[in-house]
Amino acid sequence: DTAVSQTPKYLVTQMGNDKSIKCEQNLGHDTMYWYKQDSKKFLKIMFSYNNKELIINETVPNRFSPKSPDKAHLNLHINSLELGDSAVYFCASSPQGNYGYTFGSGTRLTVV
Amino acid sequence: AQTVTQSQPEMSVQEAETVTLSCTYDTSENNYYLFWYKQPPSRQMILVIRQEAYKQQNATENRFSVNFQKAAKSFSLKISDSQLGDTAMYFCAFFLQGGSEKLVFGKGTKLTVNP
Repeated sequence: DTAVSQTPKYLVTQMGNDKSIKCEQNLGHDTMYWYKQDSKKFLKIMFSYNNKELIINETVPNRFSPKSPDKAHLNLHINSLELGDSAVYFCASSPQGNYGYTFGSGTRLTVV
Repeated sequence: AQTVTQSQPEMSVQEAETVTLSCTYDTSENNYYLFWYKQPPSRQMILVIRQEAYKQQNATENRFSVNFQKAAKSFSLKISDSQLGDTAMYFCAFFLQGGSEKLVFGKGTKLTVNP
């Protein structure tokens, strides 16, 4: 069983479209995260949720909206996609951050 | 804000040899944790090793070990007996307990193991 699963793995879409990425973890962790990895491989946190409550909201455009229906799921919805949104998006989870995170396999988003 | 610096964008090593990847970090706090993650071409992020700042003893995991120098704020990763499967991006990361509660990553080092 995959510990942290993201869908889809690849997403190609046109500018202006709205898309969602889903994430589910079966580890029983309380905290989930979204990270963005840019073309230079730099990883930056976008959001974190602890038991469905938003904890971290970095300086991310309002077009990005996370949703956590329960503590095992954290989805990312992106409105009005732009070329600059092209990146790999990683979901992760952790029981407590000091144990490190378990990452999903990433979603490569390409906006054309 | 905490920062993590990896000064070697790329490195290469011959199979079976030893290589050391550098990482320095900047913080005025005492209660923190350090990590090394591996990202092979498959894109998966894999936790390699974890170090608690309050522990003097350097962490080891099989062929992977760290040299943690708290005063110098240095956290290097040594890979012994390098294998082709070690070819990957390696990221150093910092977590401040009771602080920002987020893992802050360095920019990574691309390691190539040559046959």
